[in-house]
Amino acid sequence: GENVEQHPSTLSVQEGDSAVIKCTYSDSASNYFPWYKQELGKGPQLIIDIRSNVGEKKDQRIAVTLNKTAKHFSLHITETQPEDSAVYFCAARANAGGTSYGKLTFGQGTILTVHP
Amino acid sequence: KAGVTQTPRYLIKTRGQQVTLSCSPISGHRSVSWYQQTPGQGLQFLFEYFSETQRNKGNFPGRFSGRQFSNSRSEMNVSTLELGDSALYLCASSLERGLSPLHFGNGTRLTVT
Repeated sequence: GENVEQHPSTLSVQEGDSAVIKCTYSDSASNYFPWYKQELGKGPQLIIDIRSNVGEKKDQRIAVTLNKTAKHFSLHITETQPEDSAVYFCAARANAGGTSYGKLTFGQGTILTVHP
Repeated sequence: KAGVTQTPRYLIKTRGQQVTLSCSPISGHRSVSWYQQTPGQGLQFLFEYFSETQRNKGNFPGRFSGRQFSNSRSEMNVSTLELGDSALYLCASSLERGLSPLHFGNGTRLTVT
């Protein structure tokens, strides 16, 4: 089955700096890669996603890049703010026919702390 | 549009009991999935329902079961509770199976004593 590795497990930055979180996946059938932000007491919130036919996607201060050859994708947050502090999860999902079709396999999460 | 609604938010049960958790998906969403979140194992897939049929199942014992109703609402049941079942149970819904984004509720916190 799919395996997703996420690094780093904790990340501390100063307000205004950039933050980068990296994930690798194992199943070449995976073709959908979302990122979630989870705040205390809440469920994961989808912040951005990318499909395998796209190499990069940007939404204001956040961007995601995908390298299918290396089975690697990353989340980039620029101009970080204290309200960006949360746990971030990457995930992967396969298309039809794959054993992980319909299910997300998550990374272990990154605790991001943005210091004012 | 209202998000995914899970009830109850908190539950405390005793070992050996059973529990039923409820999930109302976003209006119009037809696929419902359940995930278990623990500090040690992270987010793990339990099962997915679409058109009232279980479409995929994770590596959990048969004590974990679920169902989906004709209005897409879903319930999951855990029988013969064990201490290790203490976790945050998250429900997520999507418009269709496959490439539709998954949207999560805020979960039900289950504590087994």
